Order: sequence, then structure tokens, then C-alpha cells
Amino acid sequence: EVQLVESGGGLVQPGGSLRLSCVASGFIFNNYYMSWVRQTPGKGLEWVAKITHDGTEENYPDSAEGRFTISRDNAKNSIYLQIDDLRVEDTAVYYCTRDWLVAGAGRGIDIWGQGTMVTVSS
Amino acid sequence: DIQMTQSPSTLSASVGDRVTITCRASQSVNSWLAWYQQKPGKAPKLLIYKASTLESGVPSRFSGSGSGAEFTLTISSLQPTDGGSYYCQHYYGAPRAFGQGTKVEVK
Repeated sequence: EVQLVESGGGLVQPGGSLRLSCVASGFIFNNYYMSWVRQTPGKGLEWVAKITHDGTEENYPDSAEGRFTISRDNAKNSIYLQIDDLRVEDTAVYYCTRDWLVAGAGRGIDIWGQGTMVTVSS
Repeated sequence: DIQMTQSPSTLSASVGDRVTITCRASQSVNSWLAWYQQKPGKAPKLLIYKASTLESGVPSRFSGSGSGAEFTLTISSLQPTDGGSYYCQHYYGAPRAFGQGTKVEVK
């Protein structure tokens, strides 16, 4: 079964840091770009980071403002999202997602994890 | 960065109605456009990719059209299970971006 399982969410104080993890299974991990997408409570979806299949290129929206860092370990079938200088507005469910298939058809995000909740509050 | 704008933000329709949601990009994304459905408390689910290709297992009442900067998602005959939120997303390079979503209520 193709699966993405996130962990690492929780309650953090403003200004703090957090590292989210995602373990993939059921597919050839190093054939895929991977992304993180977040959703603030009651609001829409926001794409926050992407990493290529081999980890050589990362992309972020301007709103990430240098506080987000995506990484991956293909030996562990895992990706990570480091968030620094956390703000109240970073409170959201963070989804790990399977993105572009290298040499594939480009299907958008076809697999989503269940999400991990990050709450930033004092 | 490419911005995505969806309309309407909400819609209410009856079972059996034909429903159309529009998504506009601030510049061309070719056909690199996907549509997702999200039910409350659940992760989004891919419905359509490459603007018009139906994801495996998705009912044929869902269809997508368009290219360049204007796209539509159509539900040909709305069913009770189709209630939820719908999002478009471009994946024409990075950064990717989502539309703000359309909430569909089934009367």
C-alpha cells in the first residue's frame, strides 16, 4: 500500500523551531519529487516546499521567508520540514505529499499523508 | 509567482444539477493543472490532473477542461457524496500554488 506518515507536530511557543518528518512506503521513493502542503484551521491549502527526487533542488514560496527548510534521506524513504522562528500564523495541519514522478506524466499531488498538526501559541 | 483564482467561493446546488467551478491562473500554466476534493477532517484527494485527465477510480461525472490560464471543473450530475471543498493547483514549475477553494453544498 502506498502510504505517507507524518510525525513531529505539536504545541510550540512563538519563536521556537520544529522538525516535521514523513516516512514513505509502498513506492520507489527516489523516483519522486516530494512536497509539504499546509492548511490553516478552516482555511485553504498552501504549498510550502518542494524537493527534487535526488535532493539537489528545493523550492519555496516567497511567504516562506527563509524560515522553512525541506530535506530528504532516500536511504530512509523520508522527507523533513524544518520550521524556524515559528509564528502564530504557522498554526496549521502540515501534509506530506508525493509530487512529480521523474520521467513520468506529471499527475500533480497524487498521494497525501494524514497530516500532522502544528500549534504555535504561548 | 503564478497566482490561482477560483470562483465561486461557495455554491449550493441540488442533487442532479450540473456544477461548474472556474480556476484562473495569473499567467499560462499550459495544462499543468490539477483539481482536488477535500472532505472535512480528511486529506485532499486528486480528481483531475493535466487539466483534463481523470484520476483512476474517480467517477466519470467529474471532468476538467481548459489550458493556458483558464480551467473548469464540471460535475455533470451532482450527487450527495460530492459535498466538500474543491481546489485547483498549478504544478508548472515552482512555486506551486493552490486556488482559494470552492465549498460545494448539496441541497
